[in-house]
Amino acid sequence: QKEVEQDPGPLSVPEGAIVSLNCTYSNSAFQYFMWYRQYSRKGPELLMYTYSSGNKEDGRFTAQVDKSSKYISLFIRDSQPSDSATYLCAMRPGSARQLTFGSGTQLTVLP
Amino acid sequence: NAGVTQTPKFRILKIGQSMTLQCTQDMNHNYMYWYRQDPGMGLKLIYYSVGAGITDKGEVPNGYNVSRSTTEDFPLRLELAAPSQTSVYFCASSKEGTNEKLFFGSGTQLSVL
Repeated sequence: QKEVEQDPGPLSVPEGAIVSLNCTYSNSAFQYFMWYRQYSRKGPELLMYTYSSGNKEDGRFTAQVDKSSKYISLFIRDSQPSDSATYLCAMRPGSARQLTFGSGTQLTVLP
Repeated sequence: NAGVTQTPKFRILKIGQSMTLQCTQDMNHNYMYWYRQDPGMGLKLIYYSVGAGITDKGEVPNGYNVSRSTTEDFPLRLELAAPSQTSVYFCASSKEGTNEKLFFGSGTQLSVL
């Protein structure tokens, strides 16, 4: 079993839809949770960062962490064609430097 | 404002050949990393460095070597290329102590045939 599981998709939605992207994990020591966005043929870029459980909102993006269920989510409201990319979840324990990445979900937002 | 620069962007190697993937950053970051990304497998850490002269193994270091003689540069060396090393390689850097925000280069697509 992978330490971090992420549905690879592909996921295709119409413009304006609400998108939900999810990751589950098995390591209860994970405390820091991130979402990276990766456009085709580019390096990933940090989108959202949260510590421990709870929600964090940034514009159209909301990151949610449920440590009791070992489940994290990224919600995208009013999705735009420019949101079409691969979304990678990443996480790490409190003391470790190394991030563990999910395999990524490929999202396409159709105009 | 260049950020993290990787060269080359593409390379084809024959089995047994050697090459060096170059990475340089201009943000004065102490931490630098090398990842490989295989389809459906996410990013795997190969090596990382917390400063000039200090390197450490990541999750998948076999078949690779690194050096860090300056803050700016972190080259990755493949000594005897194997087909299993066909992948996209990303170099990244971050500020000391906050590796959540990694700044990635645009990647090197390597094929070993």
